[in-house]
Amino acid sequence: KQEVTQIPAALSVPEGENLVLNCSFTDSAIYNLQWFRQDPGKGLTSLLLIQSSQREQTSGRLNASLDKSSGRSTLYIAASQPGDSATYLCAVSPDRDDKIIFGKGTRLHILP
Amino acid sequence: NAGVTQTPKFRILKIGQSMTLQCTQDMNHNYMYWYRQDPGMGLKLIYYSVGAGITDKGEVPNGYNVSRSTTEDFPLRLELAAPSQTSVYFCASSYSTGGVTGELFFGEGSRLTVL
Repeated sequence: KQEVTQIPAALSVPEGENLVLNCSFTDSAIYNLQWFRQDPGKGLTSLLLIQSSQREQTSGRLNASLDKSSGRSTLYIAASQPGDSATYLCAVSPDRDDKIIFGKGTRLHILP
Repeated sequence: NAGVTQTPKFRILKIGQSMTLQCTQDMNHNYMYWYRQDPGMGLKLIYYSVGAGITDKGEVPNGYNVSRSTTEDFPLRLELAAPSQTSVYFCASSYSTGGVTGELFFGEGSRLTVL
């Protein structure tokens, strides 16, 4: 059974720092992995989607990497800003399965 | 485009009542999902559909029912509401082909309280 873990559950960093959020999954047979952002009381917004054949994807200050063989993905946020404060979730689409499995998220707080 | 629209945004139910959460998407996506999100527990898949007329159970289907008569709509029915169904419910959709799931789009959520 595929399981997705995100550590730490919460993280506080000063504004301007570069930071890395981690996501690990137990079964490397995946089609893709997505990173989402969720603001309090809101729905999830897709940030980046990495196909299983890709190593990384970039969007602005965000860079997501994928290492299928080790079951890991990282989301790198450069030059963090207070507006980046949110919960970040990763989700995997398992191979030969239509169910998308989510981690519990990392709650990020950027200190002004 | 409106994307994924959920109604109602908030609802309070009494134990034993029934209700339907509505979900509509205007992106012609074939896949649709219902998740519930409880504090500190992440998102749990309730039901999903890979196309009109096709539905399947997720991780936590008990107490819920769904139907998919059109591509656009995927309502979630709660029968005999229980306090354990107090949660935030999210509908999502994606376009998937060849077994590969595309980007997932979410609605704003429906906050349900059962008293």
